[in-house]
Amino acid sequence: QQQVKQSPQSLIVQKGGISIINCAYENTAFDYFPWYQQFPGKGPALLIAIRPDVSEKKEGRFTISFNKSAKQFSLHIMDSQPGDSATYFCAASSGGNMLTFGGGTRLMVKP
Amino acid sequence: GAGVSQTPSNKVTEKGKYVELRCDPISGHTALYWYRQSLGQGPEFLIYFQGTGAADDSGLPNDRFFAVRPEGSVSTLKIQRTERGDSAMYLCASSPRVNTEAFFGQGTRLTVV
Repeated sequence: QQQVKQSPQSLIVQKGGISIINCAYENTAFDYFPWYQQFPGKGPALLIAIRPDVSEKKEGRFTISFNKSAKQFSLHIMDSQPGDSATYFCAASSGGNMLTFGGGTRLMVKP
Repeated sequence: GAGVSQTPSNKVTEKGKYVELRCDPISGHTALYWYRQSLGQGPEFLIYFQGTGAADDSGLPNDRFFAVRPEGSVSTLKIQRTERGDSAMYLCASSPRVNTEAFFGQGTRLTVV
């Protein structure tokens, strides 16, 4: 019930391409969906977040698409750069309680 | 301003020993969370404080794990009789209030040998 499933586990994209990472959830009480970026040996850093009252949110090259009926949300990274190479985690929470994280996607952007 | 600070950054301990991990949240943040992250996996929730009290400790794996936040700011995660399976990155996060974005520290890498 609390699980958040993330795919793919790993992704290789050419520089300038679009990186797409998908997440699905079961708990309909979730009302906050952030994405985190994590570099090796570092803590997760918040990238962008969305609430279920909107279907899309864009910040710079990062866009979250949210499909409430399908209980799915995705992260799109436009014009991917080698510096974007990191592990990305989707997460979800309900009422400000703890975050439930997906399993992570290791992104590699090739120059 | 300063972010979430965790000390030590690395800790190596022998099996059976007691360890304390410290978290200094962002000033003014009332909510504080502890997570544990094993290699190649997403962080897993351990415990959440709102102010001084533990609002939810359902993620603590067993009674060897305990956390405190006596003055509503700094928190300490305590692990008794450490086991090799406790080896992981321990992450702390804070939020200005409930239901807002959480900011993570750099974590403490715990290795039990």
